[in-house]
Amino acid sequence: EPEVTQTPSHQVTQMGQEVILRCVPISNHLYFYWYRQILGQKVEFLVSFYNNEISEKSEIFDDQFSVERPDGSNFTLKIRSTKLEDSAMYFCASSGRGAPGELFFGEGSRLTVL
Amino acid sequence: AQKVTQAQTEISVVEKEDVTLDCVYETRDTTYYLFWYKQPPSGELVFLIRRNSFDEQNEISGRYSWNFQKSTSSFNFTITASQVVDSAVYFCALILNRDDKIIFGKGTRLHILP
Repeated sequence: EPEVTQTPSHQVTQMGQEVILRCVPISNHLYFYWYRQILGQKVEFLVSFYNNEISEKSEIFDDQFSVERPDGSNFTLKIRSTKLEDSAMYFCASSGRGAPGELFFGEGSRLTVL
Repeated sequence: AQKVTQAQTEISVVEKEDVTLDCVYETRDTTYYLFWYKQPPSGELVFLIRRNSFDEQNEISGRYSWNFQKSTSSFNFTITASQVVDSAVYFCALILNRDDKIIFGKGTRLHILP
């Protein structure tokens, strides 16, 4: 069964460092997403991406964040200068638009900022 | 505005008991989808069910069942004969047909005690 894969599964970084989280969506999917879950809290939408551009972003997704689809398979989330409060689980998801909300989530990348 | 409320923060039951997780949602849209996701201790999000707003039929899948009632804007989830492996955080979520971001509830942490 096709799946969304994310790397790394866990990254520890120092505050102020740049971090790139990588995702390989399901191959024929066209819509890509990043969600975030701070430990013990709910999952929150960060950004959606379609046709090589951001289609929607939340207020969390400020100038420190960027997304990119550098090639035909990867979808990356970059945090330019990490803050302590960026520590969270980051989930990538993709959708083929088979039905609204048919999102397939990856297993998440846990980011710990020290 | 759309909202999902899971009033039960944490529930503990003894193995083999039945348990119901409550979910109440708010939206003015008439077309939407409701979801339940399971998040085991390993952290990934596991899709359990999607329901569209026009289908109020209850659904049963093994030990899991879902009760969707538009009149009370509720989409409750029951686990019958619970098992220790059911221990996880369970998220109820909503997506509008005109949108592509999922709105999650805060989750209910379920402990099944042996």
